[in-house]
Amino acid sequence: ETGVTQTPRHLVMGMTNKKSLKCEQHLGHNAMYWYKQSAKKPLELMFVYNFKEQTENNSVPSRFSPECPNSSHLFLHLHTLQPEDSALYLCASSQDSTRDRGNEQFFGPGTRLTVL
Amino acid sequence: GQQVMQIPQYQHVQEGEDFTTYCNSSTTLSNIQWYKQRPGGHPVFLIQLVKSGEVKKQKRLTFQFGEAKKNSSLHITATQTTDVGTYFCAGPVRDSNYQLIWGAGTKLIIKP
Repeated sequence: ETGVTQTPRHLVMGMTNKKSLKCEQHLGHNAMYWYKQSAKKPLELMFVYNFKEQTENNSVPSRFSPECPNSSHLFLHLHTLQPEDSALYLCASSQDSTRDRGNEQFFGPGTRLTVL
Repeated sequence: GQQVMQIPQYQHVQEGEDFTTYCNSSTTLSNIQWYKQRPGGHPVFLIQLVKSGEVKKQKRLTFQFGEAKKNSSLHITATQTTDVGTYFCAGPVRDSNYQLIWGAGTKLIIKP
């Protein structure tokens, strides 16, 4: 619907597991984002990529590892997560913008992650 | 640091009543964006305001950007069940490429 797809839509994993979240955008955008959305909390930006280069890393624990092989694909590799990492993980993309303009972001449906 | 405050956190209304959410930034914004997230869904872009004092309408939704470009509001007239969800404002982070700073959102709840 929005041109941004995410897989899987739901994921349950143990604390010792390793898994990856995938995001793909079909909009020709060159900036991609990972957000975390927990219950009763605002959207928390985790990582930003522009033209495959990571431009922001908002003090995210190293158990989250992003990968952006090209402008259309974004991954979030997960390992040794904690139960408090359970949340909705949203991917978004936007078109290139000049500094301070902040073009609108298009979100994927999210991955609902549960860490046991 | 830069902050965007959004109030109220929740608003319960009877169907047919009006709804308003307010957004206040600690710094002047070059633009402000509004998003809607339906229950179980993801944020969807609604509109962007750029000009000082700008007012835009989308059917029953009215968006305003303050003269000082530090505050904004979204007003819904005669709410319907389809309006249920959380409304977020967001503005560009100063001196940061592409990043948005988000309000905490206002959840619109229709009373049964």
